[in-house]
Amino acid sequence: DAGVIQSPRHEVTEMGQEVTLRCKPISGHNSLFWYRQTMMRGLELLIYFNNNVPIDDSGMPEDRFSAKMPNASFSTLKIQPSEPRDSAVYFCASSLAWTGGTPAFFGQGTRLTVV
Amino acid sequence: QKEVEQNSGPLSVPEGAIASLNCTYSDRGSQSFFWYRQYSGKSPELIMFIYSNGDKEDGRFTAQLNKASQYVSLLIRDSQPSDSATYLCAVSGNSGGSNYKLTFGKGTLLTVNP
Repeated sequence: DAGVIQSPRHEVTEMGQEVTLRCKPISGHNSLFWYRQTMMRGLELLIYFNNNVPIDDSGMPEDRFSAKMPNASFSTLKIQPSEPRDSAVYFCASSLAWTGGTPAFFGQGTRLTVV
Repeated sequence: QKEVEQNSGPLSVPEGAIASLNCTYSDRGSQSFFWYRQYSGKSPELIMFIYSNGDKEDGRFTAQLNKASQYVSLLIRDSQPSDSATYLCAVSGNSGGSNYKLTFGKGTLLTVNP
């Protein structure tokens, strides 16, 4: 199994630009999570999907952030316009039949720097 | 706000010793508990999960859960320098309907000294 695949691994962009992060979950997993990690705040859940449907997006910081999951094998997290405070590592994770009890497995992350 | 608290450390232990990592959580309805290890610059990696009160052992790792005290711990026996990492406690619980949130603590940095 290839695991959760994220792209790009690193992204440097200028303030005001649009940024799109991509994630391919583990095949067969039906739940997908987007997390953001910073030194100050740790790992924060931004949004998660079950069967391609957003279940909880209460962690999305503001309207500049949006996430989609058009099919079971692909999700995107978009920031438009980006700001320096969005600089962080963004992780995607997936889980099989998430009802709170099954583990979530993480991708390698995207390190985003907004200058 | 449902919280998961961990001592940020660093926790420093000599090689071969037992490392004890602790975590408390605020939501009494929490159902499942996970320990992840994260090396610097890497992604979190699942080590163990536990659902019931008591101990669960896997090799050198033992997870302990006490729901009455809202406390979960991870013991690492015969600690090795390769165990040096940040250990993240994660807790899941039902936030309503089919909404199960997985909330992470900020992690404890463990250093194992040769």
